Amino acid sequence: AQKVTQTQTSISVMEKTTVTMDCVYETQDSSYFLFWYKQTASGEIVFLIRQDSYKKENATVGHYSLNFQKPKSSIGLIITATQIEDSAVYFCAMRERGAGNTRKLIFGLGTTLQVQP
Amino acid sequence: NAGVIQTPRHKVTGKGQEATLWCEPISGHSAVFWYRQTIVQGLEFLTYFRNQAPIDDSGMPKERFSAQMPNQSHSTLKIQSTQPQDSAVYLCASSLDWGLGTSQNTLYFGAGTRLSVL
Repeated sequence: AQKVTQTQTSISVMEKTTVTMDCVYETQDSSYFLFWYKQTASGEIVFLIRQDSYKKENATVGHYSLNFQKPKSSIGLIITATQIEDSAVYFCAMRERGAGNTRKLIFGLGTTLQVQP
Repeated sequence: NAGVIQTPRHKVTGKGQEATLWCEPISGHSAVFWYRQTIVQGLEFLTYFRNQAPIDDSGMPKERFSAQMPNQSHSTLKIQSTQPQDSAVYLCASSLDWGLGTSQNTLYFGAGTRLSVL
């Protein structure tokens, strides 16, 4: 069965620094997709970045990048030059490619990031 | 594009009453997902429709919960005989449902309905 684990409950950093959020996953599938979503204080959940398991190159979008370590079943989210508005809850999620007909995402419990001025 | 629309934003019910939650997916999206969010369980998958057909309801509680998608523009989640443990934020999301590209696999979430069962 799929499982996504985020061990860091909360992180606090100073503005303009770099932060890494951890995520490990469990899957029986050899091909899968990994995602990071962000939930703001208003409750809005937005997609940030995605990594396909068969791609060796780490995904990068703006000041978000991923540290994908397939042998360790790990997908860390790196935010560089953090800003106050990056304060939010960050969710890691996974979808198995060979999961039959379903496209459901399984989410971790989230990591709360607080960026201090 | 108005995004995924969920109504009502807040709903308060008494124990034992019925609650119906509504979702209007983004126009053109063929996949609709329902999730439940609580502090303890996080984001739990409930059910998923593709082109209005139920595809995966593996997360739905076996009793009292049901979901439908009578047309491509809305889906409902109904909870009968609500219990205090049903209190949560219920989130609807939609996506394109074909291909492997990022756009096709990105879930767009609504603002959620906060259900409080007294």
